[in-house]
Amino acid sequence: QVQLVQSGAEVKKPGASVKVSCKASGYTFTGYYMHWVRQAPGQGLEWMGRINPNSGGTNYAQKFQGRVTMTRDTSISTAYMELSRLRSDDTAVYYCARVGGGPGGPRMDVWGKGTTVTVSS
Amino acid sequence: EIVLTQSPGTLSLSPGERATLSCRASQSVSSSYLAWYQQKPGQAPRLLIYGASSRATGIPDRFSGSGSGTDFTLTISRLEPEDFAVYYCQQYGSSPPEYTFGQGTKLEIK
Repeated sequence: QVQLVQSGAEVKKPGASVKVSCKASGYTFTGYYMHWVRQAPGQGLEWMGRINPNSGGTNYAQKFQGRVTMTRDTSISTAYMELSRLRSDDTAVYYCARVGGGPGGPRMDVWGKGTTVTVSS
Repeated sequence: EIVLTQSPGTLSLSPGERATLSCRASQSVSSSYLAWYQQKPGQAPRLLIYGASSRATGIPDRFSGSGSGTDFTLTISRLEPEDFAVYYCQQYGSSPPEYTFGQGTKLEIK
């Protein structure tokens, strides 16, 4: 079945970087954009950006420009999201989500279970 | 950037009742680019509705979406116990590519 399996929880110090992985299975990895969405404790959903696994092209939300890097390894159907210069307010659950398209427009139709990143000194 | 405002913030209803959730955009949104998600505590969001009114695979027909322009609605015709959750609307803008979520509506048991 189609699924996205994310890497485990991380604890980082302020100023460090974190790299979260998202391994896709059950579908053609290069056929769908992969997006990253985060959710701070008790808060709503925040879109961070996306990567085209076929070309490697990326689009980032303005808020994260310069701090986020999204990459992929097509040989193992895995997408990565690296966030640098971490601050305490980056503490959140980070989700990867596949975006399906076609009639009806783009939609996040498959989600990973999330990776908790805690930033604390 | 398009801002999505959801109302009410919290909706208290009983099983069997009808729920109406609103999502208002600061600018006109293409209907094809409006989706709704359900999120339960400790879980990832789940796609319910895309293209403003199309149900995602496996979503019961008690869930329906409607609207156009700047006003969109998610309706749950007859609430089941498992429907109590937080609901988010989301839009896609293409220039530049960006996705925006509303702040969410919490549907709680009365």
